[in-house]
Amino acid sequence: EAGVAQSPRYKIIEKRQSVAFWCNPISGHATLYWYQQILGQGPKLLIQFQNNGVVDDSQLPKDRFSAERLKGVDSTLKIQPAKLEDSAVYLCASSLAGVRETQYFGPGTRLLVL
Amino acid sequence: GDSVTQMEGPVTLSEEAFLTINCTYTATGYPSLFWYVQYPGEGLQLLLKATKADDKGSNKGFEATYRKETTSFHLEKGSVQVSDSAVYFCALETGANNLFFGTGTRLTVIP
Repeated sequence: EAGVAQSPRYKIIEKRQSVAFWCNPISGHATLYWYQQILGQGPKLLIQFQNNGVVDDSQLPKDRFSAERLKGVDSTLKIQPAKLEDSAVYLCASSLAGVRETQYFGPGTRLLVL
Repeated sequence: GDSVTQMEGPVTLSEEAFLTINCTYTATGYPSLFWYVQYPGEGLQLLLKATKADDKGSNKGFEATYRKETTSFHLEKGSVQVSDSAVYFCALETGANNLFFGTGTRLTVIP
C-alpha cells in the first residue's frame, strides 16, 4: 500500500514570496491533516479536512496560509507571502474517517525562508 | 488545554542499555496516547499506542503503559540498538482526531 506522498521535499524561497505544497493521502483515507513542525518542536496541527470540508482550522494563520482539498483527495497548502518564521517542515497526514483512527504521515516538505 | 510534556534530550546510550523516555500529559476527558518515531531522513511513524487507562502499547521491543493516576505514558525498552537512534515524540488525541505532540527526544545509541 502506498503511503502519504508529498512534494516538493525541499523548498528555499525569499521572504514575501509565495509557495505551495502538495499532498496525496493514502487511498481511501477521508481525513487529511497539515502540520507545521518548527525545528526543535513537535508538529502542530494547522488544518484538518474531512473529505473536502474543513473540520478544524483554528491554528491556521489565515492572513497568509490557505489550504484546499477540492475533490476530497489531494490537498494543497499555500503560504502567501512567506515570513522568516515560516521556516519549518510541513507534514501531511491522513487517516480513515472516524474518531481515534491512526494518522499516517508523509515525509514532509522542508521550507527555508531567507 | 490539552498538552504533553516530554523529557528533554538529547539522550545518548550505549548499545544494550535500558531506555526510559518520560512523558506526562494534561487533558480533559479520556485521551488516547501515542509514541511516534522519526528516523533520520524519514517521516513520522507510529511506534505504539494505548487508548485507555492501564493499556500497554508495545512494538519492536518498546513498551509504554497508560497510567491515569500519574497522567504518564513513559516509553521503555530493555536493550537498545544502534538502529533505534531517532527522535521520539509522545502525543495525545482527545477524540477530535487532533494530535498534540511533545517537543521530541533525540536518542543516539552508540556501539
